[in-house]
Amino acid sequence: EIVLTQSPDFQSVTPKEKVTITCRASQSIGSNLHWYQQKPDQSPKLLIKYASQSISGVPSRFSGSGSGTDFTLTINSLEAEDAATYYCHQSSSLPFTFGPGTKVDIK
Amino acid sequence: QVTLRESGPALVKPTQTLTLTCTFSGFSLSTSGMCVSWIRQPPGKALEWLARIDWDDDKYYSTSLKTRLTISKDTPKNQVVLTMTNMDPVDTATYYCARGGATIDYWGQGTLVTVSS
Repeated sequence: EIVLTQSPDFQSVTPKEKVTITCRASQSIGSNLHWYQQKPDQSPKLLIKYASQSISGVPSRFSGSGSGTDFTLTINSLEAEDAATYYCHQSSSLPFTFGPGTKVDIK
Repeated sequence: QVTLRESGPALVKPTQTLTLTCTFSGFSLSTSGMCVSWIRQPPGKALEWLARIDWDDDKYYSTSLKTRLTISKDTPKNQVVLTMTNMDPVDTATYYCARGGATIDYWGQGTLVTVSS
């Protein structure tokens, strides 16, 4: 089973600041890595698929990069509405797995 | 418009079997490539992938839970059923059904299941 780790666990950020969240896989997963945003009391929402592919309707300030074992989610110019927990998710091999999440709080 | 809705008991006792139903619309599990997945989230904790069923009836399970899980589908009814045996308080969580295999693009609202005597 592929294990995903995320860093940091928690980040408190000022609006307009840039946020970088990393996800590392225990073995190479190619580009089979996706990012989700979950706001309190809501279901997760797909933000980025296959490491860097954008999703229709998701603001352009969200972007993803990486391949193999190391991946990054970047939020350029953070907005207050971006306060949420962000999860990475691998679909390279079954069983699929999620990372432990990174909580982003607004200062 | 794609929607998914989970239904089932809010409270189960330890050792009981949990049965959850996902009723969906806006897509069909008879369509090649379509999948429905179950994911759960204990209160305040991370997402955990549980199981998936594909349009061709292929089924996949979490390694740690596969002896307790069964997933099935009723294609004409647009439903997917997940059963989990021998429930324990640590299984207390919000259970989500969602469309998709590799990428999960639509999620249900989730249903909170509490395991307590």
